[in-house]
Parts: sequence; structure tokens; C-alpha cells
Amino acid sequence: DTGVSQDPRHKITKRGQNVTFRCDPISEHNRLYWYRQTLGQGPEFLTYFQNEAQLEKSRLLSDRFSAERPKGSFSTLEIQRTEQGDSAMYLCASSLLQGETQYFGPGTRLLVL
Amino acid sequence: AQKITQTQPGMFVQEKEAVTLDCTYDTSDQSYGLFWYKQPSSGEMIFLIYQGSYDEQNATEGRYSLNFQKARKSANLVISASQLGDSAMYFCAMRDYLVYGGATNKLIFGTGTLLAVQP
Repeated sequence: DTGVSQDPRHKITKRGQNVTFRCDPISEHNRLYWYRQTLGQGPEFLTYFQNEAQLEKSRLLSDRFSAERPKGSFSTLEIQRTEQGDSAMYLCASSLLQGETQYFGPGTRLLVL
Repeated sequence: AQKITQTQPGMFVQEKEAVTLDCTYDTSDQSYGLFWYKQPSSGEMIFLIYQGSYDEQNATEGRYSLNFQKARKSANLVISASQLGDSAMYFCAMRDYLVYGGATNKLIFGTGTLLAVQP
């Protein structure tokens, strides 16, 4: 399977702990996106990378959130000092540089207790 | 600002019948893209169909077709011959553009419609 993969699929953590999620995009895709989806809502854009450059960040991405894509391949999303409001599904997607369609991974479901 | 509205929180359809899921959008851009994604209970967003604002023909992909009415700013998804496996959440989305420069490609989603296919 050469689709987008995410790890872990599920994460339960205690409030105040740090968590890190990984996304591996489709291999030839230059653009990588992170979205957050809360219960009953559609996904909301967090940030995106073109190769290793982070080109846009949503105001939803507070200073407790940081994302990297160090070699232009996989990406990590870290949440520091987690809060209960961070509980959500975190979705990663990738697309070709000039492509129209974003392909999503299976998501990481985070629960902060 | 761009906005997607899906007014149907949930719908039932009988197996083998057709169903239309509504989507309206708001944008001041002349060039934009509209997408439909399916999200089963497993959580993965599955791309179904794409329509560009300049495409003259309605998009079709197998049993999926997009009823694009530009003047009314609507992009409804039609699923023909519904199957039990079609039961899922369906999201309409629009590709955002910068006012100046090229596309950011970020997607703006509606709140979704939960479709239940009954045998």
C-alpha cells in the first residue's frame, strides 16, 4: 500500500503531557498538510509544507503546536502540554506540487484525559 | 472568506436507489475547486470526485456524479445505485486560494452529511 500513513492510530495521554504524531505522505508528493477534526465537524486546516518549507499556519496552531518536515519526506506534529481541548482526530494529507487532489491518511485519534 | 454549507445532517436511502447530498458554497474567487470526500467510521477521508470552477461538464466518477450549478453556487453529490458500503459521512470541500498569487491548496470543509443505506 503506497497511500498516506500515520502513526500512531490512537493516542491516549494525560493533560500536560507532550505527544508527537508522524505522517508519511505518498512518496512523490511535495505538499503535506495537517488538519484537525473534532466530533461532528469537518476537518480544519492547521498547516502545510511544500517540500521542507512550512508555508502557512492557521491561527488554530497555537504556540504549543509545532510541525516539521525536515527532509521533505515525513512530517511530525508535536503538541506540548496537552489540554483536554486538544482531543480530536489529526489528519495528514499529501498532494502533488501542482495537483488538485489531497489524499488523506487514516488519522491519529487523540484523547487527552 | 470561503464557506461550505451542508444542510443535511443525516439521510436515509434504500439500497439500489439514488441519493443526492446537498452542498452550497460561498466564494468571491473566480477560480476554485470543489471536492467530495467520504469518511467511514474508520476515520480515513476518501477522495470521491473533483469539479473545477471552469469545467463545463459535470464531473463523474463511476457511481458518483457532481451536479454543479455555478450560478446557484451549489455542488451536489449524486450517488447512483446505493450500496450498503456507501454508509458513511460525506464532506463537501472547497480549495482555498490566496487573494494574490497561487493556490495554497488548503481545503475548507462543510460539517458533513451522514448517509445510512438501508437494505
